[in-house]
Amino acid sequence: GAGVSQSPRYKVAKRGQDVALRCDPISGHVSLFWYQQALGQGPEFLTYFQNEAQLDKSGLPSDRFFAERPEGSVSTLKIQRTQQEDSAVYLCASSLEELGVRETQYFGPGTRLLVL
Amino acid sequence: AQKVTQAQTEISVVEKEDVTLDCVYETRDTTYYLFWYKQPPSGELVFLIRRNSFDEQNEISGRYSWNFQKSTSSFNFTITASQVVDSAVYFCALSEADNYGQNFVFGPGTRLSVLP
Repeated sequence: GAGVSQSPRYKVAKRGQDVALRCDPISGHVSLFWYQQALGQGPEFLTYFQNEAQLDKSGLPSDRFFAERPEGSVSTLKIQRTQQEDSAVYLCASSLEELGVRETQYFGPGTRLLVL
Repeated sequence: AQKVTQAQTEISVVEKEDVTLDCVYETRDTTYYLFWYKQPPSGELVFLIRRNSFDEQNEISGRYSWNFQKSTSSFNFTITASQVVDSAVYFCALSEADNYGQNFVFGPGTRLSVLP
C-alpha cells in the first residue's frame, strides 16, 4: 500500500517568505507527527496530532510555526516569515493507533527547505 | 530528561564484515520503548525494530540482530555479513511511556559505509 507522502520534496524560499509543507499519511492512520532534521543530526519532534486534534505542539520552535490537520488526514506545516535557521528537512510520520510516540511511526521522504 | 547516545559518528567496513552499532540510553521511567531506524541517502526513515523495556529477549531478523541489556542501558544493533545496500545513517530512538512528543528522542545517528 501507499506510504507517507510529502510535498514538495524541495523548497527554496527567500528570507521572510511564508511556506506550506504538506503531508499525506498512510490511509487510516490516527496519529501524525512532524519532525525537523538539521543537517547531520537526528530528527527533533515538532508536533503531534491524534485525528484532527493537535495534542502536543511543544516542539514548535516559535510562533512562526503552525500546523493543522483539519479533517484528520492530510496535514500542513506552515512557517511564516522564514528565517535562515529554518533551513532543514521536515519529516512527517504517521502511526496506526492513538498511542503517540510509544508506537511505531512510518516516515515520509521529507521536504528539504532552504531559506536564502 | 531522557537521552540517547550513539558514540560512533561514522563507521566504515568492507562488504561481508560484521558490524555493531552502539546505542546507550538514559531514562528515569521503568516503562519505555526503544527503536532503530535506517535513513538511506534517499532520506526516508525506515523502521527496523521496536522493543519495550519489559522484553529483554534479543532479536534476530535475517542479517540483523539486536542486543538489549537493561543493566547497561544499551540497545546495540549488529549487521552480519554487511552489504553495500546497508550503507546509511542509523538512528536509535527512545520513547518514554507518556505518549507526548517531547518524550521521544533520537540519537545523533551513526553513518555506516559498506565498501565493496
